Amino acid sequence: KAGVTQTPRYLIKTRGQQVTLSCSPISGHRSVSWYQQTPGQGLQFLFEYFSETQRNKGNFPGRFSGRQFSNSRSEMNVSTLELGDSALYLCASSLVGTESYEQYFGPGTRLTVT
Amino acid sequence: GQSLEQPSEVTAVEGAIVQINCTYQTSGFYGLSWYQQHDGGAPTFLSYNALDGLEETGRFSSFLSRSDSYGYLLLQELQMKDSASYFCAVRERAAGNKLTFGGGTRVLVKP
Repeated sequence: KAGVTQTPRYLIKTRGQQVTLSCSPISGHRSVSWYQQTPGQGLQFLFEYFSETQRNKGNFPGRFSGRQFSNSRSEMNVSTLELGDSALYLCASSLVGTESYEQYFGPGTRLTVT
Repeated sequence: GQSLEQPSEVTAVEGAIVQINCTYQTSGFYGLSWYQQHDGGAPTFLSYNALDGLEETGRFSSFLSRSDSYGYLLLQELQMKDSASYFCAVRERAAGNKLTFGGGTRVLVKP
């Protein structure tokens, strides 16, 4: 069974631009969560989607948004990029939503904002 | 501040035993999970404690004590490949059941 895939793996953008990251969960997994990982802040929860509905949202500004499609694939978008948005963005999938304790992470997208 | 506190770094030699503590301040959660992340890699699930007590999975064991508000991950017979960061995580009921991670503990295994 294929793992969680994320595209692109690396991205360089300039301040003010926007970016869209994609995540394909493990087949059969309906829950997708997004995290931002930085050396200073660790793993920070962005949002969680289950069956195309956002079930949870972390403490991030409205510039961060996401969505989930009927095939469970998910995208997250960051608008008006800031230097502080440079981070590793990780996507994780699980069979169910908040009841699940085991998440399967993708390799991440390394975003650099210059 | 952080709901989950972990030491930032631990160094040990091959064959040794390392215990990574995770203390928490959340009022209610659905068990304690542990994840391992190698440099440049994705976090991978290691263990989960739904109830108090010890869970053993090979060389790794995890423990939870809700009354003492802490848990730990025990790494035995350390190997070089165990050099990685280790994160504890909980789903906090008060935070809409989102998964909250500790700051991570970097384990460095020396020969």
